[in-house]
Amino acid sequence: DGGITQSPKYLFRKEGQNVTLSCEQNLNHDAMYWYRQDPGQGLRLIYYSQIVNDFQKGDIAEGYSVSREKKESFPLTVTSAQKNPTAFYLCASSTSDLRGNTIYFGEGSWLTVV
Amino acid sequence: LAKTTQPISMDSYEGQEVNITCSHNNIATNDYITWYQQFPSQGPRFIIQGYKTKVTNEVASLFIPADRKSSTLSLPRVSLSDTAVYYCLVGDMPISGGYNKLIFGAGTRLAVHP
Repeated sequence: DGGITQSPKYLFRKEGQNVTLSCEQNLNHDAMYWYRQDPGQGLRLIYYSQIVNDFQKGDIAEGYSVSREKKESFPLTVTSAQKNPTAFYLCASSTSDLRGNTIYFGEGSWLTVV
Repeated sequence: LAKTTQPISMDSYEGQEVNITCSHNNIATNDYITWYQQFPSQGPRFIIQGYKTKVTNEVASLFIPADRKSSTLSLPRVSLSDTAVYYCLVGDMPISGGYNKLIFGAGTRLAVHP
């Protein structure tokens, strides 16, 4: 089945460690996105990528890094520079235009700092 | 980018019709309006999309006035399972050499009571 797969669903990180969240899609979508969601809050854009080997910062990129070496993969690294990383992280993908049901989300990953 | 404004929360009762309005005063000519539904610890999922006038599907209706500066999501006869957060999204259509950037507002938290 086509879709977006995020892993792991739950992740615990010690302070000072980097962690990487995986996002894979087999929808042949050009664009991919990472969002952060804090409890009871809306989605905030971290990074987005329109094509392979290119990505742009969103509204809250500090403390995060991404790569887009393959069209189907867009991993997010939460670095030790991110001071408050505990949150729910969502990956999404879309075609180049936004008409129709072309935006798909993964099931999300919970990151907790211990 | 067109910024959206929605009520923070709404309450309703089972069997009632719910209307959620979104303001987007700076909507661009080519922008479409899309609504998403999100349950806790899940990714948002597509509900409905429109450009002008009225769109209806098996889940909801979307009303867009002629000036397109607002839109109203209508959920007929809600049930307890409609309790969720609803997001209004105005698409940033691609331009030559530019990128898509999906921006979500804070959303409307709908609580349906027995």
